[in-house]
Amino acid sequence: NAGVTQTPKFQVLKTGQSMTLQCAQDMNHEYMSWYRQDPGMGLRLIHYSVGAGITDQGEVPNGYNVSRSTTEDFPLRLLSAAPSQTSVYFCASSYSPHRGSENTEAFFGQGTRLTVV
Amino acid sequence: EDQVTQSPEALRLQEGESSSLNCSYTVSGLRGLFWYRQDPGKGPEFLFTLYSAGEEKEKERLKATLTKKESFLHITAPKPEDSATYLCAVRAFRVNKFYFGSGTKLNVKP
Repeated sequence: NAGVTQTPKFQVLKTGQSMTLQCAQDMNHEYMSWYRQDPGMGLRLIHYSVGAGITDQGEVPNGYNVSRSTTEDFPLRLLSAAPSQTSVYFCASSYSPHRGSENTEAFFGQGTRLTVV
Repeated sequence: EDQVTQSPEALRLQEGESSSLNCSYTVSGLRGLFWYRQDPGKGPEFLFTLYSAGEEKEKERLKATLTKKESFLHITAPKPEDSATYLCAVRAFRVNKFYFGSGTKLNVKP
């Protein structure tokens, strides 16, 4: 059982380049989300999805796009990388809060450390 | 507004010195309060979920408790391997979001 898998683990981009961070989960979770973590800022929500075909913005969505074509995958696209996007990115998945079971915690991937120069 | 505040920001303990971490929250319709442990360079690792006031959960040297306004993570006789950042989060029924605190960085010295 792999849980949440993120690739790549490390990436260096030049300003203006684009790239996609991959995230896949094998727990059949409805809810998936992307966070960035910066020193002293905690985890900030970028985008999230409550199911295939449905996405919504978090608190820091500018410069990022997402799509959810399957339950398992939730890629994050950087359209034109900027130094301000240098950060550690985490993908997380969980069951819906409306599911009857008590297992509503989020599970995280190991992160992607992105540097934009 | 839903929010989570953790204190202290950092905590230094001697091995064996018990203490508590605090997580204060405001949320309408709590669907769970979660504690995570995060080691440097790793993703947050799930520890506990608490659903209602009065609930308690334990795992080795850690014990989490919940009231209507706050949660405590009690660490009994900590060891150096307990050193990590501990994150608290809440989830509400009405919104599909987790609200995370900024974490408490725990350093346990031998």
